[in-house]
Amino acid sequence: SAVISQKPSRDICQRGTSLTIQCQVDSQVTMMFWYRQQPGQSLTLIATANQGSEATYESGFVIDKFPISRPNLTFSTLTVSNMSPEDSSIYLCSVERQLGTGELFFGEGSRLTVL
Amino acid sequence: SQQGEEDPQALSIQEGENATMNCSYKTSINNLQWYRQNSGRGLVHLILIRSNEREKHSGRLRVTLDTSKKSSSLLITASRAADTASYFCATDATPGTYKYIFGTGTRLKVLA
Repeated sequence: SAVISQKPSRDICQRGTSLTIQCQVDSQVTMMFWYRQQPGQSLTLIATANQGSEATYESGFVIDKFPISRPNLTFSTLTVSNMSPEDSSIYLCSVERQLGTGELFFGEGSRLTVL
Repeated sequence: SQQGEEDPQALSIQEGENATMNCSYKTSINNLQWYRQNSGRGLVHLILIRSNEREKHSGRLRVTLDTSKKSSSLLITASRAADTASYFCATDATPGTYKYIFGTGTRLKVLA
């Protein structure tokens, strides 16, 4: 199984600020996925990040609000920009360890609270 | 939009009893997966069932898939307090894209 480290694990942020979440995987992976889980809700896919290309965003998510970097095959960052209380969520990084298996491994998540 | 709808939304049972959760989805799939989430932490993969499979077992878990009804069920037998968690089904939203859409989840509470 993959080991995925996310930082920060939690943070309390002020409205209008931005926060960058880091995701480090212990092996090289082609695609990394960023999900959001609002309080008491299920997971919603934000974007898919491939190394060397721009991230592909899902409907309702835009690059200006959630810029993503993927500088290499083991690392990605998600920035939540100009935060508002509605951005309070758990943000989860995920990888498909072996392409085509469909099995996702998740980081422990970053729980953001925006005041 | 949510691909999977799960029921019940919440389930409370006694230790030793069986727990059954259901998932319905809307479009054709290559596979369906079940995940567990403890207390808002990261998700743990439980089991994957492919569209050409009807039933799969893993330890105390039994998953069924009915593609004609676009539904799946997860059965946990002889439940334990440690099984208390939220359970989510996930489907490949567009087969071949490696993107997975999660259901609404079932919150299971197992009472000791």
